[in-house]
Amino acid sequence: NAGVTQTPKFQVLKTGQSMTLQCAQDMNHEYMSWYRQDPGMGLRLIHYSVGAGITDQGEVPNGYNVSRSTTEDFPLRLLSAAPSQTSVYFCASSSRGGGYTFGSGTRLTVV
Amino acid sequence: DAKTTQPPSMDCAEGRAANLPCNHSTISGNEYVYWYRQIHSQGPQYIIHGLKNNETNEMASLIITEDRKSSTLILPHATLRDTAVYYCIVRVPDRGSTLGRLYFGRGTQLTVWP
Repeated sequence: NAGVTQTPKFQVLKTGQSMTLQCAQDMNHEYMSWYRQDPGMGLRLIHYSVGAGITDQGEVPNGYNVSRSTTEDFPLRLLSAAPSQTSVYFCASSSRGGGYTFGSGTRLTVV
Repeated sequence: DAKTTQPPSMDCAEGRAANLPCNHSTISGNEYVYWYRQIHSQGPQYIIHGLKNNETNEMASLIITEDRKSSTLILPHATLRDTAVYYCIVRVPDRGSTLGRLYFGRGTQLTVWP
């Protein structure tokens, strides 16, 4: 099915561990973004990419790294997990000027 | 980037039109207004977007005032499945270093009751 696929759906980490959240889209979209959503809040932009090899920071980039080696994939790396990074993470993709398609989210708990 | 203001909550009877307002008084002339909704804890779903003219699709209508400082999303015949948080977002157009950004506020919780 066409869309944005995020893995894993759930993850529990210990403080200080690192991990990569995967995001893949099969719509040949140029734009991809990562957002986090904390309880009762709207989504906040972490990092985004306007094409393969091009990334930039959003509102809350600290503690996260991204890379975009292909059009399809946009992984988000947590370098050293902290309890403040407990959140729901959404990946999204868009064509130029179009509406964003969001994945179903990764629910991350850092203990 | 332009910011948006929405009421925190609204309710609507099933079958009636739901009119969700949004203020974006600092919007620039080339910034688009987008609407998304989020049902429970799912990923946000795109609804509609516009620049100056009113827009309509199979999901909703978007009415933008002439001065572009506010807009209204209209769900013509609300159903229980339309209960969600609705986000009004101003998106910077495709140029420069702000390509592809969306900035979400807290949105409006719409509750449709039977």
